[in-house]
Amino acid sequence: AQSVTQLGSHVSVSEGALVLLRCNYSSSVPPYLFWYVQYPNQGLQLLLKYTTGATLVKGINGFEAEFKKSETSFHLTKPSAHMSDAAEYFCAVSDRAGGFKTIFGAGTRLFVKA
Amino acid sequence: DAGITQSPRYKITETGRQVTLMCHQTWSHSYMFWYRQDLGHGLRLIYYSAAADITDKGEVPDGYVVSRSKTENFPLTLESATRSQTSVYFCAGSGAPGDTQYFGPGTRLTVL
Repeated sequence: AQSVTQLGSHVSVSEGALVLLRCNYSSSVPPYLFWYVQYPNQGLQLLLKYTTGATLVKGINGFEAEFKKSETSFHLTKPSAHMSDAAEYFCAVSDRAGGFKTIFGAGTRLFVKA
Repeated sequence: DAGITQSPRYKITETGRQVTLMCHQTWSHSYMFWYRQDLGHGLRLIYYSAAADITDKGEVPDGYVVSRSKTENFPLTLESATRSQTSVYFCAGSGAPGDTQYFGPGTRLTVL
């Protein structure tokens, strides 16, 4: 069965510093992988996704993630944090074996310090 | 704008009452989903629908009922609300299984 683990429920960085949010997944077949962002009192919105092809995926707002099959990871990065990046981030996985149901991680709240 | 609206945005009810949360889409998403979001649990799937009149259970369906008589509407009913159903509920739509989901703004439900 699919599963997603996000390491760290809270991450704090200084403005201008590297953002790294960790996600590991479990899937018996090639997965679809997603990162969503949730701002306060809003629904989730897609940051980026990996389905097939290039393993480095670029998303909105300067974020990118790399699919590493050998490490079963899909970590999210951004070179330089901005105050507006403060939000909750969710990693998600779906695959054929799971009927393409999407499984979400527990979320990581990103704090950005001035 | 993926056109998912939810109503009401906030609801307070009492234990044992029936509550219906509405979800409407202006896009033609085939798939629609209901999730609940609780601290420490991320999003958990309650029910989903692949098309009008086709619905199926997700991870946490007990105590909930859904219907989808029209493609654009996917209401979620709590037949007899319990305190454990206090949560934020999100409706989402997708064009294909496993593809990007587009979320509504959520309904914050409090059961007293």
